[in-house]
Amino acid sequence: DVKVTQSSRYLVKRTGEKVFLECVQDMDHENMFWYRQDPGLGLRLIYFSYDVKMKEKGDIPEGYSVSREKKERFSLILESASTNQTSMYLCASSLLRAGTGNTIYFGEGSWLTVV
Amino acid sequence: DAKTTQPNSMESNEEEPVHLPCNHSTISGTDYIHWYRQLPSQGPEYVIHGLTSNVNNRMASLAIAEDRKSSTLILHRATLRDAAVYYCILSFHNSGGSNYKLTFGKGTLLTVNP
Repeated sequence: DVKVTQSSRYLVKRTGEKVFLECVQDMDHENMFWYRQDPGLGLRLIYFSYDVKMKEKGDIPEGYSVSREKKERFSLILESASTNQTSMYLCASSLLRAGTGNTIYFGEGSWLTVV
Repeated sequence: DAKTTQPNSMESNEEEPVHLPCNHSTISGTDYIHWYRQLPSQGPEYVIHGLTSNVNNRMASLAIAEDRKSSTLILHRATLRDAAVYYCILSFHNSGGSNYKLTFGKGTLLTVNP
């Protein structure tokens, strides 16, 4: 089975802190994604990456950056955390192109609270 | 981006079939239709996907209209474990054609009554 592992399930950080959310997948997938999920807003794409060192902005990239130095690892970085970034963050991966019908696999989510 | 429209919520009884509708009138010819579901406090999980023909797997069936402007996810016998938010999603190709992403809407909250 494909496994997408998010390093932290629950985090509490202070406003202004730099926050790293780590994600690792074990199936050699090219594509990796970071979403956030908020009540009433559904899942929104922050960034995605289709190859090592490659990235593209999603729908809400402001306040975030990403890093993909190795194929299996995709990190989401909050340079200076703010309270409006309190949310559940979901990492996902897929083989080649999701649009061709390849399944996208999600991690269990990281609940971030910024105080 | 092609958009999907789903009812906010639906209710079913245990062991009865459930038909979850999705409208996607602006679907393009190369868009796949994907269904995912999300159980409480978990990440979404894949249910089924298709392009033009109806599809079956061990979890569900996907019925796609002939004009592809709508589809229906069919759970043949709902169980309490099927209570979840169900997302109908279309694939999206960016202008460069090399990168793909799935855009999630708000989904349908399915309640299953014992």
